[in-house]
Parts: sequence; C-alpha cells; structure tokens
Amino acid sequence: EVQLVESGGGLVQPGRSLKLSCAASGFTFSNYYMAWVRQAPKKGLEWVATISTSGSRTYYPDSVKGRFTISRDNAKSSLYLQMNSLKSEDTATYYCAREVYYGLFYWGQGVMVTVSS
Amino acid sequence: DIVMTQSPSSLAVSAGETVTINCKSSQSLLSSGNQKNYLAWYQQKPGQSPKLLIYLASTRESGVPDRFIGSGSGTDFTLTISSVQAEDLADYYCQQHYSYPLTFGSGTKLEIK
Repeated sequence: EVQLVESGGGLVQPGRSLKLSCAASGFTFSNYYMAWVRQAPKKGLEWVATISTSGSRTYYPDSVKGRFTISRDNAKSSLYLQMNSLKSEDTATYYCAREVYYGLFYWGQGVMVTVSS
Repeated sequence: DIVMTQSPSSLAVSAGETVTINCKSSQSLLSSGNQKNYLAWYQQKPGQSPKLLIYLASTRESGVPDRFIGSGSGTDFTLTISSVQAEDLADYYCQQHYSYPLTFGSGTKLEIK
C-alpha cells in the first residue's frame, strides 16, 4: 500500500524557516517524480514544487522560487521542503504527492504550516 | 503560465441528478506528439486529501465509479457526474499537467440538496 506521511509543520514567525519531510513507503520511491502542493485555509490547491527521480531537476512557481527548496533522499525514501523567508501567505496545509506524467497520483494526509507572529 | 478557469464555483443538486463542471485552459493541453490532453480532475471530500479521479482528460483512475466522466480536448474540458450520490459531496479541481508551473482551477464545491 502506498503511503506518504508528512511531518515538520507548525507555527513559525514571518521571516523564519521551516523544513517539511515526507516519508514514503509501499513503492519504489526512486522511480518517481515527487511534488509538494499546498492549500491555504478554505482556499484551492496550489502546486509548490516538483523534483525529478534523481533530484537533478527541480521546478517551482514564481510564488516560492528562491525561498523554497525541494530535495529528496532516495536511500531513505524521503522527500523534503525547505522553506525560508516565510510569509503569512505561506500559511497552508502542505501535501506531498507522487507525480506521474499525467497527474498527482497519491497524496499524503497533509501537514499544517502557520506563519504568524 | 497556463491559467485554468473553472466553473461554476459551487452548485447544489439533488441525488440522482446530473452535474457538469467546466474547465478552460488558456493554452491547449493537447500534445501534438501523442494526441493526449494533459488534464486531470481531482476530488477532495471534506477533511480529506485530494484524490485523482480522471487523467488525460477522460481516463478514470482505478476504482472510480463510471458515473464520473471526463471529456474535452484542447482548451475546453468537462467533468460530468451522472446520477449524483450523497457521497459525491466534495470539492472538484481541474489541473493541467502539460507544462510547469502546474496549475489548478479554482475549484467547484458540490453540495447535495
């Protein structure tokens, strides 16, 4: 059974950093692109980042480019999202997802990040 | 960036009725190489993570009831839910997987009267 379990969320002050983790199991992690998607409270879905199988290629929207870094450790079947210079508008539930060429196939349960002073 | 415009933002129907949700992309999602449309639909039930329902515009994910039908090509797409059930209460999102940045529609909230 495919499982994606996010962790590392919490309350953080504006301008500070936070690192999210996603532990994957039930599939060969190194064979798949992985992504982060977020959802602000009562709002829609926003894609945040994607990383290739080896980690050599990463993709971001302009809203987080230069502040967020996606990475992975295939030996540990783990995905990460380093978030720096956090803003109030980064407050959201963050989901990790297994990405295939046609969509986001499996999603974790999500982890909440609140950016507030 | 490809902008996804989804409508309506909400709708309320009685069980057994048919629902249509529309999604329009600002650029064609049809690949000239394989003639496939890179459009996906997701369902998000209250308090749950999103779930992939339909991909490549019209292919149902395994286990998805056949009352969910995806159609369209190029820039105009539709999700039809025939004979809506109470369990279909959810938010529905379209998403283009044609190019980065990946983008979602703004969502449609389906309520059951």
